[in-house]
Amino acid sequence: QSALTQPASVSGSPGQSITISCTGTSSDVGGYNYVSWYQQHPGKAPKLMIYDVSNRPSGVSNRFSGSKSGNTASLTISGLQAEDEADYYCSSYTSSSTLLFGGGTKLTVL
Amino acid sequence: QVQLQESGPGLVKPSQTLSLTCTVSGGSITSGSYYWSWIRQPAGKGLEWIGRIFTSGNTNYNPSLKSRVTISLDTSKNQFSLKLSSVTAADTAVYYCARNLYGRTFDYWGQGTLVTVSS
Repeated sequence: QSALTQPASVSGSPGQSITISCTGTSSDVGGYNYVSWYQQHPGKAPKLMIYDVSNRPSGVSNRFSGSKSGNTASLTISGLQAEDEADYYCSSYTSSSTLLFGGGTKLTVL
Repeated sequence: QVQLQESGPGLVKPSQTLSLTCTVSGGSITSGSYYWSWIRQPAGKGLEWIGRIFTSGNTNYNPSLKSRVTISLDTSKNQFSLKLSSVTAADTAVYYCARNLYGRTFDYWGQGTLVTVSS
């Protein structure tokens, strides 16, 4: 199984909004509403930010939102803050009962 | 609050078996509809899901690693374990254990442990 496709990097200025895409196939992203997004700061474990495409765990800022269209899911961060600078990974459940991650996207806050 | 902690050797010789244990605290490993997963991350690279085990003992593995991976549960110790056989330098990575909520998202993670494969 190949990794889900994410852009290697995105950037934005404080206060702006950015969107990170995550493209898969009909056997994973497109077939289930089971896409999650994780934030990872250097040297730290990933942190769950969005699950089941658009749900936020308790304690996660409402500046983070998720959506999906076809085989592509998206994470949007609004009102960018310096602390949002991190790597972001998507994951999806697959038709083989496995889990698949994206290659990761480095977010730079200018 | 659920907490997970990885433990095991930080150095493994090529061709040998990597063995790690994840100790779960703050809740029983057998309660709820949870899977328990292992995930790894080579330095400077992305996350790779290795496999998972359900409370019933059922397992699912990454097809690319399936022939070398075994994940097991020790309910008496509230732990689950990873064994990866015939390791090479390509298996050098930070290994994370994580709770797999409803089988489709990872809501709690361990801090990660670095395993280096080298002679």
